[in-house]
Amino acid sequence: DQQVKQNSPSLSVQEGRISILNCDYTNSMFDYFLWYKKYPAEGPTFLISISSIKDKNEDGRFTVFLNKSAKHLSLHIVPSQPGDSAVYFCAASAREYGNKLVFGAGTILRVKS
Amino acid sequence: DAGVIQSPRHEVTEMGQEVTLRCKPISGHNSLFWYRQTMMRGLELLIYFNNNVPIDDSGMPEDRFSAKMPNASFSTLKIQPSEPRDSAVYFCASSYGEKLFFGSGTQLSVL
Repeated sequence: DQQVKQNSPSLSVQEGRISILNCDYTNSMFDYFLWYKKYPAEGPTFLISISSIKDKNEDGRFTVFLNKSAKHLSLHIVPSQPGDSAVYFCAASAREYGNKLVFGAGTILRVKS
Repeated sequence: DAGVIQSPRHEVTEMGQEVTLRCKPISGHNSLFWYRQTMMRGLELLIYFNNNVPIDDSGMPEDRFSAKMPNASFSTLKIQPSEPRDSAVYFCASSYGEKLFFGSGTQLSVL
């Protein structure tokens, strides 16, 4: 049973526009959420995170929004750039589970120039 | 710091052979994780260690899979015997806290 779901396998966006990647989770124990970016032939790298005590965290062009009641989070990238083209993984953890991260299946983002 | 180092980068083997994947975590990190990436399921956690002790191996698919961490700077993931359905990218990651740092992965192909 997938506890973290990314229902869109891929997304295509025009350069300069906003990219919105979505993630849903089922386990209400999750209290920390992260987004990772992965380029081909490389390992995932940390992008941005949010604690369950917040509903928004912003870092430059990247903003993560958390809706706890809906068990939903989203990553906004604005403006999108061709270098943002990658696979984006949503991940979640719970204090009770230690540092164990549960990942979604990923969304392939393609930013067209 | 060189980051998490995995070897080999690519491994091609025949069904039935033993495969050993290696990982050197970032110095000072106290947790180490083995993940497997597949198209269908994304990144699946296989096993993780805390202070060299296996904490959760519930993600290990079968008894054919085993992992060790004999010291803080080295871990192995072994598949014996390997099967074609084991073909995937295997990632090692280490952490001190909630953010994981990943290696570049081992692309395993079992023919």
